[in-house]
Amino acid sequence: NAGVTQTPKFQVLKTGQSMTLQCAQDMNHEYMSWYRQDPGMGLRLIHYSVGAGITDQGEVPNGYNVSRSTTEDFPLRLLSAAPSQTSVYFCASRKGSRGEQYFGPGTRLTVT
Amino acid sequence: KNQVEQSPQSLIILEGKNCTLQCNYTVSPFSNLRWYKQDTGRGPVSLTIMTFSENTKSNGRYTATLDADTKQSSLHITASQLSDSASYICVVSAISGGYNKLIFGAGTRLAVHP
Repeated sequence: NAGVTQTPKFQVLKTGQSMTLQCAQDMNHEYMSWYRQDPGMGLRLIHYSVGAGITDQGEVPNGYNVSRSTTEDFPLRLLSAAPSQTSVYFCASRKGSRGEQYFGPGTRLTVT
Repeated sequence: KNQVEQSPQSLIILEGKNCTLQCNYTVSPFSNLRWYKQDTGRGPVSLTIMTFSENTKSNGRYTATLDADTKQSSLHITASQLSDSASYICVVSAISGGYNKLIFGAGTRLAVHP
C-alpha cells in the first residue's frame, strides 16, 4: 500500500492564481481530511469528507473548495490564492470516525 | 472552547536520557487521546491512541499516560536516540454530531543531542 499520497510536494503561486492540491489513498478509508499547519499552531481542519459525495467544512474553510467523487481521491482547490494561504497542507485519511489517522507527506505552498 | 495545550514548547536532551512531554486539554465530550510524532518535512505518524478507560499505553520506548479526571496526558520517552528528534503532537478527539473531531496541540519540538 502506498498509504496517503499528495502532489505536488512544493508549489509557489502568485496572488490570485488558482490551483488544486491532489490527495489519494489506497486503504479504502471512508474519512478524509485536509489540514493546514502554520508555525506555532496546531494543525487546523480545512474540509473533511465522511465518504464519496459527502463533504463538510472544518475550522478554516474560507478560500478552499473540495469534492469527493471517489473513495480514493480528495482534491483541495484554492480558488484565488492569497499570501495568508502560505502554509504546509496535509491530507489525512482514517477508517471510521475513531480509526487511526494516516497523514500524507504534505505540500508546502508559498503565495507571493 | 475545546483546547489542547502542550508543554514545553521545545526541549533539548542528551542521547540516552529520558524525557516527559505534557499535554493538558479542555475537550468535551472526550472520545480519545492520540500522540503523534512528526519528523521535519514529513506528515505526523501515530504513536498511541488511548480511550477514556485506558491509563497507559506503550509503543516501544514511548509510553503515554492519561488521567481523564485531571484532563492531562504525558508522553515519556525512554533511553532517547538521535532519531527521536522530532515534534510530538497531542491530539484529543471530541465527539461532534457523530463525527470525531480532532483537536491538535501545537506540539513539543524535541532535539536529542549526542
